[in-house]
Amino acid sequence: AQKITQTQPGMFVQEKEAVTLDCTYDTSDQSYGLFWYKQPSSGEMIFLIYQGSYDEQNATEGRYSLNFQKARKSANLVISASQLGDSAMYFCAMRSFNNAGNMLTFGGGTRLMVKP
Amino acid sequence: GAVVSQHPSWVICKSGTSVKIECRSLDFQATTMFWYRQFPKQSLMLMATSNEGSKATYEQGVEKDKFLINHASLTLSTLTVTSAHPEDSSFYICSAKSPQGNNQPQHFGDGTRLSIL
Repeated sequence: AQKITQTQPGMFVQEKEAVTLDCTYDTSDQSYGLFWYKQPSSGEMIFLIYQGSYDEQNATEGRYSLNFQKARKSANLVISASQLGDSAMYFCAMRSFNNAGNMLTFGGGTRLMVKP
Repeated sequence: GAVVSQHPSWVICKSGTSVKIECRSLDFQATTMFWYRQFPKQSLMLMATSNEGSKATYEQGVEKDKFLINHASLTLSTLTVTSAHPEDSSFYICSAKSPQGNNQPQHFGDGTRLSIL
């Protein structure tokens, strides 16, 4: 069974500063992918960034980067230069590539609030 | 632009009504779609995996007679909440994954807020 843990229910960050959202996972699979999604108050799920278990380099997408530490089974999201529009729920998710169903397992989420 | 379209966005109806929610993949064919339920301030809970041309796979604890899923084409899956009651009020959201490669994310619809009076 897979499990995703996000230990920070809520976080504040000052506008223009960087923030790290924690994500740890538990799986016995060797081949998997890790995803981060943003969910604003309107409800839609916005894909932010992906990291494959065999990727040697940390993923980056604009202001988003992923601090992937495979041995520790952590995949923390780093948002640089926070903006007011970054205020939202953030979910870490994992998909096993051994799972033909392609289903995602989600963490409990972190609510990020950016202060002006 | 959106690659998965979900309709309707909001539904308010009386207890006992059946409600159908549609999920369409716009840019790709999706043999598999997923239906989630989300309670306020909680994470997404997978309800079922919708398989084109075959029966859906329901997660433990989800009533298949209450939440009917039909995946009749490669671009459309529907979730029908039958004889809805106030406890069925929730945010329902669907997703589909492009068949191209493991690194492709699941794309989500915008969700449906269901309120049963």
